Amino acid sequence: SQKIEQNSEALNIQEGKTATLTCNYTNYSPAYLQWYRQDPGRGPVFLLLIRENEKEKRKERLKVTFDTTLKQSLFHITASQPADSATYLCALVTDGGATNKLIFGTGTLLAVQP
Amino acid sequence: NAGVMQNPRHLVRRRGQEARLRCSPMKGHSHVYWYRQLPEEGLKFMVYLQKENIIDESGMPKERFSAEFPKEGPSILRIQQVVRGDSAAYFCASSPSATTGELFFGEGSRLTVL
Repeated sequence: SQKIEQNSEALNIQEGKTATLTCNYTNYSPAYLQWYRQDPGRGPVFLLLIRENEKEKRKERLKVTFDTTLKQSLFHITASQPADSATYLCALVTDGGATNKLIFGTGTLLAVQP
Repeated sequence: NAGVMQNPRHLVRRRGQEARLRCSPMKGHSHVYWYRQLPEEGLKFMVYLQKENIIDESGMPKERFSAEFPKEGPSILRIQQVVRGDSAAYFCASSPSATTGELFFGEGSRLTVL
């Protein structure tokens, strides 16, 4: 069956450290993968997009990797801050990129302690 | 430029009543997506619409749920004869074309069925 799995446990890290979140998928061939941030009671906010032919993408303190052989994406936040505390969602586009229809993972809750 | 606007933000209905959720996409966006988020679960795709057309409704329950995106006015997600299991947050997202990748989400409509 098709699955998108993210760290099921909450991730607690100390301020200033690097947070690494994992997204593994099964029985999908994504054209590209996206990461979103969701705060309690709010809608998801887009962070980064990485295509199947890209290995790595960076934006300020954020870095995403995409390994289509391992069927895995890693999402890194360097020099983490308490304001980075939120739920992070990975999402796949699977129809060859013909539409923006996204399939989401269940998310990982990140808590950055001051 | 206003973002994606959803209303109502909170809606309470009794079992058997109808719920209508409205979504105005960002200016210039003609593609609308509806997602449902159950408590402690991920975002589940429901339906993808382009002006006056349903493009993909593979995530919509077969009964009681319908969606439209008329030529003029907001997109509407309609749930007839609501049941307790319909209690969830319903998110709308929009994009300017079918393949830009990034989705812009509204803040959601939270439906509670008593």
